[in-house]
Order: sequence, then C-alpha cells, then structure tokens
Amino acid sequence: EVQLVESGGGLVQPGGPLRLSCAVFGFTFSNYGMNWVRQAPGKGPEWIAYISKNRDRIYYADSVKGRFTISRDYARNSLHLQMNSLGAEDTAVYYCARNMPGQVYFDYWGQGTPVTVSS
Amino acid sequence: EIVLTQSPATLSLSPGERATLSCRASQSISRYLAWYQQKPNQAPRLLIYDASTRATGFPARFSGSGSGTDFTLTINGLEPEDFAVYYCQHYSNWPPITFGQGTRLEIK
Repeated sequence: EVQLVESGGGLVQPGGPLRLSCAVFGFTFSNYGMNWVRQAPGKGPEWIAYISKNRDRIYYADSVKGRFTISRDYARNSLHLQMNSLGAEDTAVYYCARNMPGQVYFDYWGQGTPVTVSS
Repeated sequence: EIVLTQSPATLSLSPGERATLSCRASQSISRYLAWYQQKPNQAPRLLIYDASTRATGFPARFSGSGSGTDFTLTINGLEPEDFAVYYCQHYSNWPPITFGQGTRLEIK
C-alpha cells in the first residue's frame, strides 16, 4: 500500500527555519517525481516544489524560490523541505505528493503537516 | 503562469441531482487537466486526470470532459458522500503548476 507520511510541522517564529520530512512506503521511491503542495487556511492547494526521480530537475514556485529547498534521500526513502525566512504567508498545511511518471498530477498525497508562523 | 478559473464558487444541490462544475484555463492546456476531491480535514484526492480518465476508486457517476481552455466535471446522481470541494489543476507548460480556487458542492 502506498503511504506518504509527513512530519516536522509546528509553530515557528517569523524569520525562522523549519525542516519538513516525508517518509514514503509501498512503492519504488526512485521511480517517481515528488512534490510539496501547501494549503493555507480556507484556500485552495498551492504547488511549491518539485524534484524529479533522479534529482536532475528541481523547480519552485516563485513564492518560495530562494527560501525553500527540496531534497530527497534514496537510502531512507524520504523527501524533505528546508524552509528558511518564514513569514506569516507561509502558514499552511504542507503535503508531500507523488506525481505520475511523465505527468505532474498527484496520485498520492500524505495526510499533511501543519506549519504556523507566528510570534 | 496559467490561471484556472472555476465556477461556480458554490453549488447547492440535492442528492440524486446532477452537478456540473466548470474549470476554464487562461490559455490552451490541451487535455493536461486533473480534478481533485477534498473533504474536510483530508488531503485532496485525485479524481480525474488527462481531462477525462477517472482515477481508481471513483464510480462511473463521475466524468470529466473538455480540452483546450474549457473543462467540465459532471457528477450524475449525487450521493451524500459526493458533497465536498473540487479543485482543478493543470500540468501543461509547467512550472508553475496551478490549481483553481475550488468549487464547494453543498447539500441544498
């Protein structure tokens, strides 16, 4: 069974860093591109980062470019998101999501981890 | 950036009725469109991809159509479990990947 399990969310002060992780189970991690998608309270989903299956392509949304870094660890079957210089606008539930090979729609999502940026 | 506009924002219908949800793209996206269903406190769930292919686990009362800039999600014979928020998402000419703002399907 495919499972994506996020962790690392919480309350962080403005300007601070936070690192999210996503452990994956039930599929061959190295065969799939992976993404982070966030959803602010009462809003629709927002795609923020993509990493290809072999890490040769990495893309970010303009809203996080230069502040967030996506990475993946094949040995641990995990996806990560290093977030720096956090602001109130980054408050959201953060989901990791797998995309189908060759097309970037999201066939499996984790349960999400909430991030609140507040003093 | 491709902008997706969904309408209506809210749709109030009764069980058994037909729901028609619209998603319009700001430029042609061929058939590179997906639909998701989201229930409260849950992650979005893939419903339709490639504009009209139903994802695993969804019954035949859900159907998608369209190409280019205009797309439709139709739900025939609404069941109580279908009341949720529906989002469209494109995957043409990315990054960025964008979502529509959603249509809330509520019980009348």
